[in-house]
Amino acid sequence: DAGVIQSPRHEVTEMGQEVTLRCKPISGHDYLFWYRQTMMRGLELLIYFNNNVPIDDSGMPEDRFSAKMPNASFSTLKIQPSEPRDSAVYFCASNAGEGQPQHFGDGTRLSIL
Amino acid sequence: KQEVTQIPAALSVPEGENLVLNCSFTDSAIYNLQWFRQDPGKGLTSLLLIQSSQREQTSGRLNASLDKSSGRSTLYIAASQPGDSATYLCAVVYNNNDMRFGAGTRLTVKP
Repeated sequence: DAGVIQSPRHEVTEMGQEVTLRCKPISGHDYLFWYRQTMMRGLELLIYFNNNVPIDDSGMPEDRFSAKMPNASFSTLKIQPSEPRDSAVYFCASNAGEGQPQHFGDGTRLSIL
Repeated sequence: KQEVTQIPAALSVPEGENLVLNCSFTDSAIYNLQWFRQDPGKGLTSLLLIQSSQREQTSGRLNASLDKSSGRSTLYIAASQPGDSATYLCAVVYNNNDMRFGAGTRLTVKP
């Protein structure tokens, strides 16, 4: 069984550039989550989707961040313009429904110079 | 405010010891609680999930307990091995998949 797949694994870019992170959830999972992990703040939920519809985006830090889920097998998290403080590891996770375990991808390590 | 706290932040034990990791949460109206393991540079691996109506869950050498009324959960690891070295994260789900994480306990098991 393929797990949650994220790409790229690493991204280094200069501030001001647009960054797009990608995620393919586990097939059949109805929920998809985007998290950010930093040393200072730990793991934080940014946004999650149910059946491709954004349910709660209250964790999205500001308007520079946007997320989409055009179909059940693909989601993107976009940062435009990027800033050094956006440097973090971004995780995508999915699960089969409320109360079910969340399964995480290996993350994208983002460095904004 | 829904906070999740894990103690200790780091733990080092010799191989073979039994150990307990602690997690506390301020809001007891939880949906479920999940324990994860995170290896350096990797994502999170789900270890155990306890529903709010359950008291404990077991998987191999791992046992997780839940006491909602006191806002606590423990992860017990029996006969620890060097391969158990990782960061262990406690995560509390409140509703609609709103998951709040603790800062984790970094475990080192020495051969």
